[in-house]
Amino acid sequence: KNQVEQSPQSLIILEGKNCTLQCNYTVSPFSNLRWYKQDTGRGPVSLTIMTFSENTKSNGRYTATLDADTKQSSLHITASQLSDSASYICVVSATGTYKYIFGTGTRLKVLA
Amino acid sequence: DTEVTQTPKHLVMGMTNKKSLKCEQHMGHRAMYWYKQKAKKPPELMFVYSYEKLSINESVPSRFSPECPNSSLLNLHLHALQPEDSALYLCASSQGVRGANSPLHFGNGTRLTVT
Repeated sequence: KNQVEQSPQSLIILEGKNCTLQCNYTVSPFSNLRWYKQDTGRGPVSLTIMTFSENTKSNGRYTATLDADTKQSSLHITASQLSDSASYICVVSATGTYKYIFGTGTRLKVLA
Repeated sequence: DTEVTQTPKHLVMGMTNKKSLKCEQHMGHRAMYWYKQKAKKPPELMFVYSYEKLSINESVPSRFSPECPNSSLLNLHLHALQPEDSALYLCASSQGVRGANSPLHFGNGTRLTVT
């Protein structure tokens, strides 16, 4: 069964600190993996997309990694800001399907 | 601002009402989606339209009826809903389908409350 699991479920950090969010998946055959940020009451916004051959990709203060062998991905946030408070969702696509498989998300709260 | 526009932003309806949610995109995307999201949960897929044809219906109750009048518009017609249908309804689009290297572009959703 195709599944995406994320950890931790929630996280509280102080402004300026770094953090890392984890995503484990059992999706086959793997096509690509995306990280989305969702602010409360708004739609998710894509942060990064990674394919099988990519193992690191950065978007400003966000850096995503992918280990296709262990089927794990991480999202590292550097020098966190209050505006980083949101839910972060890992989404995996399988080749030949129309479906995007969503993880349960990590709720991040950044405190001043 | 999101490139996928959803209206209305908020909707309160009774269980006997008929209402419609609307979604519009002008990015030339050929796949459009309806998702339902409950609080603190990830979005759940309801329907997928590919090239204006219904490709996926995730066993959604018939009180939800999707419609794709053209490649830019997607509607969701609601009738005889239940209070448990209250949720954030998200529309999304993508360039292609079948897990292609194109991200989903989401609208900001319609917050639906069924009384």
